[in-house]
Amino acid sequence: DGGITQSPKYLFRKEGQNVTLSCEQNLNHDAMYWYRQDPGQGLRLIYYSQIVNDFQKGDIAEGYSVSREKKESFPLTVTSAQKNPTAFYLCASRGGLVGTDTQYFGPGTRLTVL
Amino acid sequence: QKEVEQNSGPLSVPEGAIASLNCTYSDRVSQSFFWYRQYSGKSPELIMSIYSNGDKEDGRFTAQLNKASQYVSLLIRDSQPSDSATYLCAVKYTGNQFYFGTGTSLTVIP
Repeated sequence: DGGITQSPKYLFRKEGQNVTLSCEQNLNHDAMYWYRQDPGQGLRLIYYSQIVNDFQKGDIAEGYSVSREKKESFPLTVTSAQKNPTAFYLCASRGGLVGTDTQYFGPGTRLTVL
Repeated sequence: QKEVEQNSGPLSVPEGAIASLNCTYSDRVSQSFFWYRQYSGKSPELIMSIYSNGDKEDGRFTAQLNKASQYVSLLIRDSQPSDSATYLCAVKYTGNQFYFGTGTSLTVIP
């Protein structure tokens, strides 16, 4: 099965904790993205990566960190510096020979701060 | 500031009617445009992409692009209750970033 997987589906964080959201793809896509979605709002870009070992900040990178050590994996860490992390987090990838501009999304992780 | 604007709705249409969704964008150099459907609590799924002026049809869906007027629209013919969802417009500007509208909520009434 080809696609993008995210885990966990639901995540609960206590104040002051760092948590890491997993994103894996087996589509052989070069580019990967992390977005945040709040109720009634569109998607806002946190970080993106075009190639392994390289990534760029998006519009709302403060309080988040990423790594891209493998082409297939792009984990997102939500640090304690992120003051309002409760949101729906979406990972996407883009690439391939056909429709290279198109992003495809994973199922998402819903993070709640207790 | 790169902006993508959509009417938030809600938009309600009777079953079998045509639903028309609109999106405007701010940057004239934009090259790629996308419509995604998002059911409540789920991730967005791609409906259509469009890159050149004119219409692109795929089944009951037609995307229309007018670069001179900086708008892109989505028509859904023979609307079904299963089409009830939020529709997101996305624009890829120069570089590799995508910008999303806030979405239009569509309800198809049986």
